[in-house]
Amino acid sequence: AQSVTQLDSHVSVSEGTPVLLRCNYSSSYSPSLFWYVQHPNKGLQLLLKYTSAATLVKGINGFEAEFKKSETSFHLTKPSAHMSDAAEYFCVVTLGGGGFKTIFGAGTRLFVKA
Amino acid sequence: NAGVTQTPKFQVLKTGQSMTLQCAQDMNHEYMSWYRQDPGMGLRLIHYSVGAGITDQGEVPNGYNVSRSTTEDFPLRLLSAAPSQTSVYFCASSYSTAGSGNTIYFGEGSWLTVV
Repeated sequence: AQSVTQLDSHVSVSEGTPVLLRCNYSSSYSPSLFWYVQHPNKGLQLLLKYTSAATLVKGINGFEAEFKKSETSFHLTKPSAHMSDAAEYFCVVTLGGGGFKTIFGAGTRLFVKA
Repeated sequence: NAGVTQTPKFQVLKTGQSMTLQCAQDMNHEYMSWYRQDPGMGLRLIHYSVGAGITDQGEVPNGYNVSRSTTEDFPLRLLSAAPSQTSVYFCASSYSTAGSGNTIYFGEGSWLTVV
């Protein structure tokens, strides 16, 4: 069965320090992996996606993620947190091709302290 | 680009009332879907459509109906609202590009309270 696990429900960092949001997945197929960000009272915005090309993916706002097949992980990182990064982040797996199945992680709330 | 547009943004319903959440996309996407978001549960799929005239159930379909008469529109109907349907609802759409990840585009959300 396919699943997505975000290992931390909350992460708190100080402004200017690195961010690490962890995501592990389980899939019988070759997955596509995404990170979305949701600011309060807003919809979900795509940060970045992995679709079997380069394993290190760069996204918007300085975020990047590395696909590690051996560890079935797709952790999201940013070298230096900004106050505007405070939001909820979702790791998402989709099975494309002829089907349409999307699995969302439960989300990680990122707090950024001044 | 309007992207995915949902209305209304906020709605309060009484138990037993019915209503329709509207969703429209202008990207000519084949796939459209409705999710509900509840605290600590991420997003759960209610219904989805792979093209005009085709719909199917997701993870939590009970109490909801959908139809897809055009590529652009995918309304979600609450048949008889219950307090358990208090949630934030998101409409989404995506391409159907085989062999690559289907990026999902989300609407801004509809906050629904059933009293």
